[in-house]
Amino acid sequence: EPEVTQTPSHQVTQMGQEVILRCVPISNHLYFYWYRQILGQKVEFLVSFYNNEISEKSEIFDDQFSVERPDGSNFTLKIRSTKLEDSAMYFCASRREAASFRSPLHFGNGTRLTVT
Amino acid sequence: EDKVVQSPLSLVVHEGDTVTLNCSYEVTNFRSLLWYKQEKKAPTFLFMLTSSGIEKKSGRLSSILDKKELFSILNITATQTGDSAVYLCGSLENYGGSQGNLIFGKGTKLSVKP
Repeated sequence: EPEVTQTPSHQVTQMGQEVILRCVPISNHLYFYWYRQILGQKVEFLVSFYNNEISEKSEIFDDQFSVERPDGSNFTLKIRSTKLEDSAMYFCASRREAASFRSPLHFGNGTRLTVT
Repeated sequence: EDKVVQSPLSLVVHEGDTVTLNCSYEVTNFRSLLWYKQEKKAPTFLFMLTSSGIEKKSGRLSSILDKKELFSILNITATQTGDSAVYLCGSLENYGGSQGNLIFGKGTKLSVKP
């Protein structure tokens, strides 16, 4: 069964550094998402992406965050200048190309980001 | 303010017990309600509910949606230790022509003791 893959599984960075989290969505999926989960807290929506542009973003997704689909397969989340509070598990998700709302989101295994 | 509220937040049962997990939602432009199981990493999809009163079933798991009362339940019968996980409920909403966003509750942590 096709799956969403994320790399790396764990990223450690120093405060103020830039990080790029990578995701390969399921092929033929066209709707992409990033979520994050701070340890012990709920899974929070960050941003949705379709047709090479952001569809919606949450309050968390400020100017420090950006997303990109640089080629036909990768979907990346960049944090320009990391803060301690960015430490979390970041999940990428994708959804089938159908325009209806009958297709669920499929999640990757996540990247655990630790900012020191 | 939480749009999706799950209860209980944690639950400890013994193997063989039946459990009911609750999810209430209060979202505008509701489209669907989804249940996921989260063990160590990725939330894995269980059910997607769009119509009231129609039970969805997969083995020992079942779920139903009540769009009038704005809630859903997830039932697990004859629980096994492998059912231990956090169960996430999410509401898929959309505005205008957007693709829709999935908003999660805090989850119910289920622990099944042998």
